[in-house]
Amino acid sequence: DAMVIQNPRYQVTQFGKPVTLSCSQTLNHNVMYWYQQKSSQAPKLLFHYYDKDFNNEADTPDNFQSRRPNTSFCFLDIRSPGLGDAAMYLCATSRDAIDRGLTDTQYFGPGTRLTVL
Amino acid sequence: AQSVSQHNHHVILSEAASLELGCNYSYGGTVNLFWYVQYPGQHLQLLLKYFSGDPLVKGIKGFEAEFIKSKFSFNLRKPSVQWSDTAEYFCAVNARGSTLGRLYFGRGTQLTVWP
Repeated sequence: DAMVIQNPRYQVTQFGKPVTLSCSQTLNHNVMYWYQQKSSQAPKLLFHYYDKDFNNEADTPDNFQSRRPNTSFCFLDIRSPGLGDAAMYLCATSRDAIDRGLTDTQYFGPGTRLTVL
Repeated sequence: AQSVSQHNHHVILSEAASLELGCNYSYGGTVNLFWYVQYPGQHLQLLLKYFSGDPLVKGIKGFEAEFIKSKFSFNLRKPSVQWSDTAEYFCAVNARGSTLGRLYFGRGTQLTVWP
């Protein structure tokens, strides 16, 4: 039944050690998103893919990269994690947009909680 | 930049009490509005959404929300809460014409319902 799957659910890494979080979906949705959510804060969009078209938020640090090798999978790479990158990382998908001004419902995965030591 | 405000960070109610969670946004154009819920240990899931039409929208589990354009508000309501409604509730807004898929979230309201 799982539609948006994130692995692992908990990830511990060391300061400066690259880490990759993964997301997969069984919905065949065109759009995939990565959000960062720090404690007691709103989820914040990092970037998203519309098919293979990558869209980066202006304030997303260069330390964060993403890959989408196919429709089903999307990865978040943190090249040199800092203590401030400890957060919950949420992956979401949406079916499509009828036009570029209309958002379809986003479906979220359970998140990966990243701890940086 | 757009923003979404949820004024209540933590709401505590007894079962059968009525609920209203406030949500205000700052954007002058046309918007799509959402309420998401996150039950303990689970992922964010959609409660209800408003794109157009009747400003009073009904969602799952007896929740409803009213879009009041003049007040830039989209408050969530439920006439009688249950213990199982204990969760965190997020209001989110998408401004039409903005970057595709750009959802702005409020910081969330934690609802605790005592049996």
